[in-house]
Amino acid sequence: DGGITQSPKYLFRKEGQNVTLSCEQNLNHDAMYWYRQDPGQGLRLIYYSQIVNDFQKGDIAEGYSVSREKKESFPLTVTSAQKNPTAFYLCASRRKQGLDQPQHFGDGTRLSIL
Amino acid sequence: GENVEQHPSTLSVQEGDSAVIKCTYSDSASNYFPWYKQELGKRPQLIIDIRSNVGEKKDQRIAVTLNKTAKHFSLHITETQPEDSAVYFCAASQEGLIYNQGGKLIFGQGTELSVKP
Repeated sequence: DGGITQSPKYLFRKEGQNVTLSCEQNLNHDAMYWYRQDPGQGLRLIYYSQIVNDFQKGDIAEGYSVSREKKESFPLTVTSAQKNPTAFYLCASRRKQGLDQPQHFGDGTRLSIL
Repeated sequence: GENVEQHPSTLSVQEGDSAVIKCTYSDSASNYFPWYKQELGKRPQLIIDIRSNVGEKKDQRIAVTLNKTAKHFSLHITETQPEDSAVYFCAASQEGLIYNQGGKLIFGQGTELSVKP
C-alpha cells in the first residue's frame, strides 16, 4: 500500500537513547496503529489513535510513546525504558470505523540495539 | 480482553494440495475476522475477511469459514502454489459505529506455510 510510508527502514538504538519511528499516510485515513512483531509471536498492538489529538494504549504500551498532532502522521518513540526494543515495527491505518474498512500496513521499520 | 489462538504454527504441503489454517477467539462480541499474508521481510497484506453475519466467503482459491457458536474460523487455500508460501495471520476485532469501539485487531501467532514444488 503505497499510501503508508514508514521511515527509516532500519534503525539502531544505543543504550539509554530514545528513538522515533515515523509513519505518514496520504490515504485520508482516520485511525492509525502501531504494532510490534517478534518472531513466532504475531503482531502485538502498542498504541492506536482514532482521531487527531487522541490515542489509546494497546497491549504492550510500556516503554513507548506516541503523538497524533496531524491526521496523516503518527510517530512512535521507543524510549530508554523499553529494555527489549529489538523488533520489527509496523504502522497501519484505516478509514473511520464502520463496515468494510480493513487495516492497511506500511513496510515496517526494523529496530536493533547497538 | 480478546485472545486469538492460531494453529498450526507451521504447515508444509505439496503443490496442488489444500491447506487449512484454524483460529479460535475468546470474545463473543468480535464480529470482524481478517486474514493477512506476510512474505519474508514485507508488510502484511489483507487477503480475505469475513463478518459475523456471514458463515463463509470465497475468493478464487481462498475461502474463509466462520463458526460463531464455537468461536472459530478457518482459512482454506486450494490448489496451492509455491507463491502461496508465506506467514498467514488471522485476526479478530469488534467493529462498531460508536467512538472507542472497534478497530483494534487482535492477531493470532501466525502460520508459516511452505508449498513444495
